[in-house]
Amino acid sequence: QVQLVESGGGLVKPGGSLRLSCAASGFTFSDYYMSWIRQAPGKGLEWVSYISSSGSTIYYADSVKGRFTISRDNAKNSLYLQMNSLRAEDTAVYYCAREPVYWGQGTLVTVSS
Amino acid sequence: DIQMTQSPSSLSASVGDRVTITCRASQSISSYLNWYQQKPGKAPKVLIYDASSLQSGVPSRFSGSGSGTDFTLTISSLQPEDFATYYCQQSYSIPYTFGQGTKLEIK
Repeated sequence: QVQLVESGGGLVKPGGSLRLSCAASGFTFSDYYMSWIRQAPGKGLEWVSYISSSGSTIYYADSVKGRFTISRDNAKNSLYLQMNSLRAEDTAVYYCAREPVYWGQGTLVTVSS
Repeated sequence: DIQMTQSPSSLSASVGDRVTITCRASQSISSYLNWYQQKPGKAPKVLIYDASSLQSGVPSRFSGSGSGTDFTLTISSLQPEDFATYYCQQSYSIPYTFGQGTKLEIK
């Protein structure tokens, strides 16, 4: 069955960096585009980034453009989100998703001094 | 970016009630509209995709309709497990924006 498992979240100071990973299994990872979506505590869902199946096409939300980098390794069935220059407003649960059906359980990123 | 506006933001209803949630897009999105249910501490679960297609395994009391800019999610007879927050999402153009959510509470 399809599984998406995020890791790499944690507590980081403002201005710091973090790299999230998402391990995919149960499907041919290289056939699908993937996304990162986040949810701040008590708030709604915010789409963050998209990467095409080959990795050749990438998009970002304006709120993270220039600070976050999405990537994938199809040989390792893995999706990544490199987050730099983190701000308090980046605090959220980050989900990787094979939209719209399959979502991971999420990993919490807390940006605080 | 396409803005998605849901109404109402919150709703109180009783078991057995028929409930409708609406979602309006700031421009036409054809039928590229998903509906999700989210319970506290859990990832969203897709209920409806392409505006009216019921995701496998989702009870038939859930239905979706609409195209263009106006969409609805209907729950025909509320069950206790349906009390949750519901989100619409357009998948017509990136960024795939979400509505702000509708919290469905027990009356």
